[in-house]
Amino acid sequence: DAGVIQSPRHEVTEMGQEVTLRCKPISGHDYLFWYRQTMMRGLELLIYFNNNVPIDDSGMPEDRFSAKMPNASFSTLKIQPSEPRDSAVYFCASSLWDTPGNYGYTFGSGTRLTVV
Amino acid sequence: ILNVEQSPQSLHVQEGDSTNFTCSFPSSNFYALHWYRWETAKSPEALFVMTLNGDEKKKGRISATLNTKEGYSYLYIKGSQPEDSATYLCAFPKAGTALIFGKGTTLSVSS
Repeated sequence: DAGVIQSPRHEVTEMGQEVTLRCKPISGHDYLFWYRQTMMRGLELLIYFNNNVPIDDSGMPEDRFSAKMPNASFSTLKIQPSEPRDSAVYFCASSLWDTPGNYGYTFGSGTRLTVV
Repeated sequence: ILNVEQSPQSLHVQEGDSTNFTCSFPSSNFYALHWYRWETAKSPEALFVMTLNGDEKKKGRISATLNTKEGYSYLYIKGSQPEDSATYLCAFPKAGTALIFGKGTTLSVSS
């Protein structure tokens, strides 16, 4: 398996523009997570899906952020309109899960977003 | 609010030194405790997943212990090497599923 694939690796956009980040999870993983990494807050959970259904989006900072998972092999995180404070590295991760939680996450390479 | 605390924030050691870091987490409703290794310009990689009180895991020179009753885990590195330089993250599942990460301990090993 090629692992979790994110695109683009880098994105530079102007304030006010729409940005779409993409993620392809590992085949067979039934959980997908979006995280944002900043110096101030570390790795923050934004939203996660189980079997393509959003379970918890309480970490999404504002209504400008939205995420979808139309099928088991694809998810998007969209920011519209983008602002300079959205500049960060956005990671997607996928996992199997059981109780008590024996599986680690596999992370993608991240998308470094810069909003100017 | 679920808090995962790690200490120290950063650490500088000489090659060959042994070192350890601490992760503190809520001791109630425990599911699992994860450790990840995050090298600069890469993505976090899972080191250990620990689920039982008293668990001890080992991978090469790196080992970890778990105390779920008091809510802490230690990560040990024996004989640190420059290639061990990375940020070490611990994480705790929120509501048993999504991991909440600590801010990490950044280790720098000088040769």
